[in-house]
Formats: sequence, C-alpha cells, structure tokens
Amino acid sequence: DADVTQTPRNRITKTGKRIMLECSQTKGHDRMYWYRQDPGLGLRLIYYSFDVKDINKGEISDGYSVSRQAQAKFSLSLESAIPNQTALYFCATSAPWTSDNEQFFGPGTRLTVL
Amino acid sequence: AQTVTQSQPEMSVQEAETVTLSCTYDTSESDYYLFWYKQPPSRQMILVIRQEAYKQQNATENRFSVNFQKAAKSFSLKISDSQLGDAAMYFCAYNENKLVFGAGTILRVKS
Repeated sequence: DADVTQTPRNRITKTGKRIMLECSQTKGHDRMYWYRQDPGLGLRLIYYSFDVKDINKGEISDGYSVSRQAQAKFSLSLESAIPNQTALYFCATSAPWTSDNEQFFGPGTRLTVL
Repeated sequence: AQTVTQSQPEMSVQEAETVTLSCTYDTSESDYYLFWYKQPPSRQMILVIRQEAYKQQNATENRFSVNFQKAAKSFSLKISDSQLGDAAMYFCAYNENKLVFGAGTILRVKS
C-alpha cells in the first residue's frame, strides 16, 4: 500500500465550485505539505504544517485553505475554484527527526477548472 | 528567499551515453541539502540523489552522480549509461525545512 495517498486522482470542476483535495499518510510523519505544479514553474509550496496545531502559508496560498484533521490527514480546499488553479497538486510528508528533511510525495491530483 | 534555476528546459541523450543536467541556486545559508527528483510520465516524484552542503564529496547513487560546487552554488546531475527508463522530468530542489524547486528539465532518451 502507498504510504502517501491523495484523493481524488483526477477532478474536473467548474468555476466557482468548492473543491477539497485530501491527503492521508501512514508514514507517521508530523510534517505535511501541499504543492502545485505548473508547466515551466516546477512545484510551488501552497501550505505546510509541522504538526496538528501548526499551519503555515507557503509561496502561493491565495485562493487556498487547508485543514490538518489529524497527524495523518491534511486537506487542501479551493473555496471558489478559478481556471488558473488548473494544475497538478501534490501532497508530501517528512519527518522532523531526519537531518535532511527528505519529503515523500503522494501520486498527485490533476485538477481542471473549466 | 532561496531560488533554484534550471537553465535547460529540455535535454536529449542517446541510450548508453552520458548527460549532465544543470542547476544553480541562491542562498545565504551555509548548511542545507540539495536534491534531484525524477518525475516520469506516471507523475510520481522519485528522489534520485541528495547532497549535504557540508560534505565536500560528491554524492553518487549507481549511474547517478552530482557535481556540487558550493562556492559557485552549482549542483549538476550526471547520468551515466543512460537508459530508456531515465526519460522523465528532473527537478533540482533546495531544502531548508521547505523545498524550493527549479522549473525542471525534460530529459529525452533516444534509442
């Protein structure tokens, strides 16, 4: 079984709809992250959480919100989706006890906003 | 803020040949980690190799090695004996609690 899972894997929605992307992990890691990937821009950090009570904005948080429901769950919401939020979204986790903070990625969610 | 630059949007290599992907970064820190990730068409992010800035020895993982030049803030990836399965997008990333990624380089492998 995959250590980091994301649901859904693909989603097509319309402008103005509320969308939630979910991430679950079985690695026991405290740290979780949401990134979006756009062609020519690489991956950019949206939000991150270093434990259940900790939420931090990343580079591109506008238009997004997150919820850390438990150590193992970290959800990303688009309150009112717009077409320029069409992208590939990745969840990642890492452990604070590792010196290099290696991150482990989920399989990604392809989101299309029409 | 830290930045990572990959100046080669696309590269091609003949099967069994060697290719080098470039990466430069900007930071004022002295201790940090650098990574190369591979993203095949399946879109899964796969860690290829890592380098700690304090280590002078270049990291090596089988056919993958890096040329780390700390003073020049350069971190290139060399792939030896290229295989068809190496075809993917490659991302360079700087890590200091959070990852900062370059824009990526698409590697095509010709048979």
